[in-house]
Amino acid sequence: QKEVEQDPGPLSVPEGAIVSLNCTYSNSAFQYFMWYRQYSRKGPELLMYTYSSGNKEDGRFTAQVDKSSKYISLFIRDSQPSDSATYLCAMSLYSSASKIIFGSGTRLSIRP
Amino acid sequence: ETGVTQTPRHLVMGMTNKKSLKCEQHLGHNAMYWYKQSAKKPLELMFVYNFKEQTENNSVPSRFSPECPNSSHLFLHLHTLQPEDSALYLCASSQEGGRGRSTDTQYFGPGTRLTVL
Repeated sequence: QKEVEQDPGPLSVPEGAIVSLNCTYSNSAFQYFMWYRQYSRKGPELLMYTYSSGNKEDGRFTAQVDKSSKYISLFIRDSQPSDSATYLCAMSLYSSASKIIFGSGTRLSIRP
Repeated sequence: ETGVTQTPRHLVMGMTNKKSLKCEQHLGHNAMYWYKQSAKKPLELMFVYNFKEQTENNSVPSRFSPECPNSSHLFLHLHTLQPEDSALYLCASSQEGGRGRSTDTQYFGPGTRLTVL
């Protein structure tokens, strides 16, 4: 079983829709959870960073962590064509960047 | 130049060639990383340098040889690669707070797209 599972997609939704991206994981000791966004021909950039369970909101983006189910989600409200990218979930036991485990990424396309 | 830069952006090489990838960070960070990104696979951490000392080597074959001459520059020397080594190689940097605990996030470069023939 992979440590982090993420549906590769592609996921295609119309502009304005609410998007839900998800990851499951197997190691219950993970404490730090991240979402990265990667545009074509670019490196990943950090979008959201959360510690332990709960929700975190930043503009149109909401990150949700459910440690009891070992499940994390990223919600995008009022999706825009500029949100089209690959979204990578990532998690670690510690805040140290050297111990981050990444998901394989979900390719998202927002149709105008 | 700002952020993390990588050169070249694209590289095609034969299995007997020797080449090097270069990464430079302009963020004043003290930790640098090499990742391999293959299609539909998770990002694989290859090497970590913390204060110029290699702290991680995740069972990477010896045909990949990293070099970190200072905290701003990181190289990946390549020799006798295999076609399955074709991938996007990403460099990243972060500010480590000491004792392996990061107080910042990782910043990635645009990557070098490597094709091994």
